[in-house]
Amino acid sequence: DTAVSQTPKYLVTQMGNDKSIKCEQNLGHDTMYWYKQDSKKFLKIMFSYNNKELIINETVPNRFSPKSPDKAHLNLHINSLELGDSAVYFCASSQGGHANTEAFFGQGTRLTVV
Amino acid sequence: GDSVTQMEGPVTLSEEAFLTINCTYTATGYPSLFWYVQYPGEGLQLLLKATKADDKGSNKGFEATYRKETTSFHLEKGSVQVSDSAVYFCALSARDSNYQLIWGAGTKLIIKP
Repeated sequence: DTAVSQTPKYLVTQMGNDKSIKCEQNLGHDTMYWYKQDSKKFLKIMFSYNNKELIINETVPNRFSPKSPDKAHLNLHINSLELGDSAVYFCASSQGGHANTEAFFGQGTRLTVV
Repeated sequence: GDSVTQMEGPVTLSEEAFLTINCTYTATGYPSLFWYVQYPGEGLQLLLKATKADDKGSNKGFEATYRKETTSFHLEKGSVQVSDSAVYFCALSARDSNYQLIWGAGTKLIIKP
């Protein structure tokens, strides 16, 4: 069983469309994250949820909206897609509240906006 | 605020060469330190970690020692293989940052046969 799974793995879409990326973790963790990785591999945190509540909301356009229906799921919805949104998006999870806790990552969703 | 600085890549080595990827950090308090590895087309996975000063983390032949006096956590391997080609990320986690992982910029490692 995959610990953190996200779908789809690849997403090609036109500018202006709305799309969603789904993420599920089966590790029983209480904290989930969305990261954006650019073409230079720089990793930037976008959102963090703890027990379904938003904890971190970094400076991202409000076209990006996370939704956490339960502790095991954190989906990312993106409205009005722009060329600059092209990147790899990673979902991750961890057990929060500890400095030495390990984060587990999904395989990533490569989003290409054309 | 807390931050992590790691050497810029790409780092290109021949197989069986000795590897060092430098990582230094700035943090208040006593962070835990991590190295994550990202193989091509995959997500990040934990390579090793150290939770207090002078601890040595090790895995798959890689080692890193938590040096509080130099605020460093350099990654080393005695003899690299082509399969070690990946992007390596140094990170820290500390109470003052609400245990959010603070990431370095990543270092791409290329090993040539």
